[in-house]
Amino acid sequence: QVQLVQSGAEVKEPGASVKVSCKASGYTFTKNAMHWVRQAPGQRLEWMGWINAGNGHTKYSEKFQGRITITRDTSASTAYMELSSLRSEDTAVYYCARDEMFFDYWGQGTLVTVSS
Amino acid sequence: IQLTQSPSFLSASVGDRVTITCRASQGPSNYLAWYQQKPGKAPKLLIYAASTLQSGVPSRFSGSGSGTEFTLTISSLQPEDFATYYCQQVNSYPLTFGGGTKVEIK
Repeated sequence: QVQLVQSGAEVKEPGASVKVSCKASGYTFTKNAMHWVRQAPGQRLEWMGWINAGNGHTKYSEKFQGRITITRDTSASTAYMELSSLRSEDTAVYYCARDEMFFDYWGQGTLVTVSS
Repeated sequence: IQLTQSPSFLSASVGDRVTITCRASQGPSNYLAWYQQKPGKAPKLLIYAASTLQSGVPSRFSGSGSGTEFTLTISSLQPEDFATYYCQQVNSYPLTFGGGTKVEIK
């Protein structure tokens, strides 16, 4: 069965970077793109970007352009999302989600807290 | 494309028929989905391509609509359906979600 397992919660100071991982299993990793979505407390879901796991091509939301990097390691069937220059407004739960045009499988979420 | 859901909050009883609306600022064609999210959990895909039921989702859930107005209907609300529901469009970047509709027990 398809599973996406994300790395654990992080606490970061303002200005730091965070890198969240998403390990996929149960399907051929390179056949689907992977999206990253975040949800700040009490807020709507917000799409951040995606990576074509086959060729590594990425597309980012303009809101995060310059601060976000999405990569993948095909040998480990793992996608990564790194967000830099963190500020308090980046405190949120970050999700990876598999692309089948729509988001059919999601990771369990990773809480990133930005606080001094 | 901005997505506006209504209502943002809904109080209903078990067995009620519930309808949630998602209005788009521009037509997302058929590229619209509905998700259910329970507290502390990841969203779950219910409906995709506006009206196609995702595998394993109970048939009491249905989606309809076209152009800029779409609806999610739960024909007979069950205790496990109390959650927040989001619409999403994947027609154009940035991909966007609606503001959510929280369905609570009356």
